[in-house]
Amino acid sequence: GAVVSQHPSWVICKSGTSVKIECRSLDFQATTMFWYRQFPKQSLMLMATSNEGSKATYEQGVEKDKFLINHASLTLSTLTVTSAHPEDSSFYICSAPDSSDTQYFGPGTRLTVL
Amino acid sequence: AQSVAQPEDQVNVAEGNPLTVKCTYSVSGNPYLFWYVQYPNRGLQFLLKYITGDNLVKGSYGFEAEFNKSQTSFHLKKPSALVSDSALYFCAVLLTYSGAGSYQLTFGKGTKLSVIP
Repeated sequence: GAVVSQHPSWVICKSGTSVKIECRSLDFQATTMFWYRQFPKQSLMLMATSNEGSKATYEQGVEKDKFLINHASLTLSTLTVTSAHPEDSSFYICSAPDSSDTQYFGPGTRLTVL
Repeated sequence: AQSVAQPEDQVNVAEGNPLTVKCTYSVSGNPYLFWYVQYPNRGLQFLLKYITGDNLVKGSYGFEAEFNKSQTSFHLKKPSALVSDSALYFCAVLLTYSGAGSYQLTFGKGTKLSVIP
């Protein structure tokens, strides 16, 4: 099946710094990718829809200026957590749909902000 | 409102016994339904989906799910559970289709499956 990768898999940073997370579709093109956030023992929460060539669409309550999304190409979307704080610590997962209505998920990135 | 519900936070089953993880949905129109599995510290893995056709859908690792329109359910099943099936299972429903290749899934809260040796 299709493969989606994320990098890094785990990042630890100091409060106030910015962190960039990459999401790549390895063997298919995706005009749209999705970014989710998962708190411990909870379900995924959709943060935003990343659109190639246009602005991302953010879900209600998600700060656009804090979570910057750039869909640079048909195989790459990046999520930048700006001025990270401890409450931003979470598991971030991206997904991309293939042409058969199935979404494939990246392995996730665990962000720890000290 | 459109939603998907997993009524059980946790399901315990003995190894070798059949397992069922429940999912019900509430959407307008015909639903697209999915099951995903998440192992500890890992991303989600696709198990199976129902779009149209046969109500019984077979997926990865011996799992299957039955779409029941009258009961608005899409329960995940496996005839004989393995210890390695222990994980977090998410049911999801496709809520929007823009026609431009974008799909958004809404997830249930997840059900933790523990298979006891």
